Formats: sequence, structure tokens, C-alpha cells
Amino acid sequence: GDSVTQMEGPVTLSEEAFLTINCTYTATGYPSLFWYVQYPGEGLQLLLKATKADDKGSNKGFEATYRKETTSFHLEKGSVQVSDSAVYFCALPSGNTPLVFGKGTRLSVIA
Amino acid sequence: DTAVSQTPKYLVTQMGNDKSIKCEQNLGHDTMYWYKQDSKKFLKIMFSYNNKELIINETVPNRFSPKSPDKAHLNLHINSLELGDSAVYFCASSPHRDGGYTFGSGTRLTVV
Repeated sequence: GDSVTQMEGPVTLSEEAFLTINCTYTATGYPSLFWYVQYPGEGLQLLLKATKADDKGSNKGFEATYRKETTSFHLEKGSVQVSDSAVYFCALPSGNTPLVFGKGTRLSVIA
Repeated sequence: DTAVSQTPKYLVTQMGNDKSIKCEQNLGHDTMYWYKQDSKKFLKIMFSYNNKELIINETVPNRFSPKSPDKAHLNLHINSLELGDSAVYFCASSPHRDGGYTFGSGTRLTVV
């Protein structure tokens, strides 16, 4: 079935560092792709999405580009802040099933 | 107004008990879901309902029984709780399958 693979965490960065969290997918066709973020003690929130190849989703300084050639949807941010510390999930809908999530990548940003 | 609200937020109970978690959404979404998040943060779909009808049941023990009295509510009842049921349970809703999901804040269930 369709699936996503995320880089293993945890990722620890200093404030203002550049962030990349890798996500690759296996899918039939070209589904929409999503990044969700889970802050400590909270539910997941939609961070950004892309609905077709070459689309770039962006929000709160985060970006991800839907790359069909490399089946990837890597999350990037140019300058992270302590408030970005959270768990990040890549996801896609799989056939008739609901969203399938990657295993999550924990990001810790230190001042 | 909370878009997807779950109650209770925390639930501590003994093995063998029966408990329920409630979920309500005020977004007018047609589809609602229950996900289980384990201690390693892995999220697994349990159930999906569309307009009160069950459309997905992912190899969940039949001790778990979802109930949707209307399309704004999806409750989860768990019988004969086991230690392995300890997890965070998230309710979510979406306007359609490819739409962004809105999640509740989760119910942390601890079985002792």
C-alpha cells in the first residue's frame, strides 16, 4: 500500500539553523501530500500541503516541494526558533483509506 | 470555539474496565476518524466514519466499538481494557478524504 518514510529523529538544532526533514513516499498515482506538526501535549495541526507535482506548500516559514521525480516532499525552514520544537509528520491519503502518517521526526531547537 | 473536542483529556483506569471517549466536531465535516498514537509517537488509523457510516475498520480488536449518533459526533467505547491499550487516542475530521484533517487535542488513556 501507499506509505511515507521519514528520516529518523531526534533532530537537535541551534536557533537560526537551517532545517531539513526528509520525507519520501510510495504511492499509486499522485496523491496530495501533507506535513503535520504536533507541539508538546497537543494534537496534530496541518502545517502545509501540496496537491500536485511541483507544487510548493508553505506556512510559518516552512516549505516543502512535491517532487515527482524523486518521490519526495522534504520539509525545510531557513532559520528555526525554539518555538518550532515539536514532532513533524509527513502524510498522504492511501487509496480509500484515511491519511497514512510517517513515524514522525522530533525536532528540538536550543537557544 | 474548539473545532474538534475530545473528552476526557486524561483517563486512568484499571484493567478489565469499560470506558468511553467522546468526540464532537463543529466544522460541518462529513468524515471523522479515530487514531491511536503509541509511546513512540506512531499514529495508526483505527476507524473512519462518513456521514455516520463506518467505512474503515483497521484490524482493531472488537473490544473497541465506535458509535456515531450523528455526523458531528464519533465516540469510542472500549470494553475489558488491557495494559496494551494505554496510548493517546486522537479524534479527527475532514471535509473529504484529500482535505486537511482537523485533530482534537487527544485523550491520554492509561490502563493500570
